[in-house]
Amino acid sequence: SQQGEEDPQALSIQEGENATMNCSYKTSINNLQWYRQNSGRGLVHLILIRSNEREKHSGRLRVTLDTSKKSSSLLITASRAADTASYFCATKPSLNDYKLSFGAGTTVTVRA
Amino acid sequence: EPEVTQTPSHQVTQMGQEVILRCVPISNHLYFYWYRQILGQKVEFLVSFYNNEISEKSEIFDDQFSVERPDGSNFTLKIRSTKLEDSAMYFCASNVGLGGTGEQYFGPGTRLTVT
Repeated sequence: SQQGEEDPQALSIQEGENATMNCSYKTSINNLQWYRQNSGRGLVHLILIRSNEREKHSGRLRVTLDTSKKSSSLLITASRAADTASYFCATKPSLNDYKLSFGAGTTVTVRA
Repeated sequence: EPEVTQTPSHQVTQMGQEVILRCVPISNHLYFYWYRQILGQKVEFLVSFYNNEISEKSEIFDDQFSVERPDGSNFTLKIRSTKLEDSAMYFCASNVGLGGTGEQYFGPGTRLTVT
């Protein structure tokens, strides 16, 4: 079954602004990961948060996880034109199950 | 930095033909995957492969699909008799597996167009 539903589906912001996108999932997870995909290209891993973690930072990225609500958010601070891409959350269901279930993604456009 | 590579980048084939998509995972990784993304849709899991056998497959991965690790470096996805609905971007991924976090490294993808 599919997990990971992002909202909004699309986001347009001005360079320098923050971008926030959310992801909800349905079943328990071992970890949740965020990936970026530039148009027509492959997926690039951004950040991973374990089920026992609540917040994680990596550079301009901040991820939160609320397992009670089965939701996560990705914040990109001080956005740049190069951040224009689609962002996907992906859930890893358990320790020994390695397949990822992806959401539909949020398309972010950063205007110069 | 090591990366997953895929060939070809774009494959055009006629309906009913067989195609083989090729991937070279990162050398010390133990788990290999194929995913597909139909244009405008989610990335969908197809199959995972470990220790020279399929460890898990999705409902999409029916009898027309097969995977193989023919040598120590390549990992292939074969579609026996392609259908129009097989047109998609196919991504190969790999990860360390046991002891790892589950972070997967994706290749750039092969765009398959079935006409």
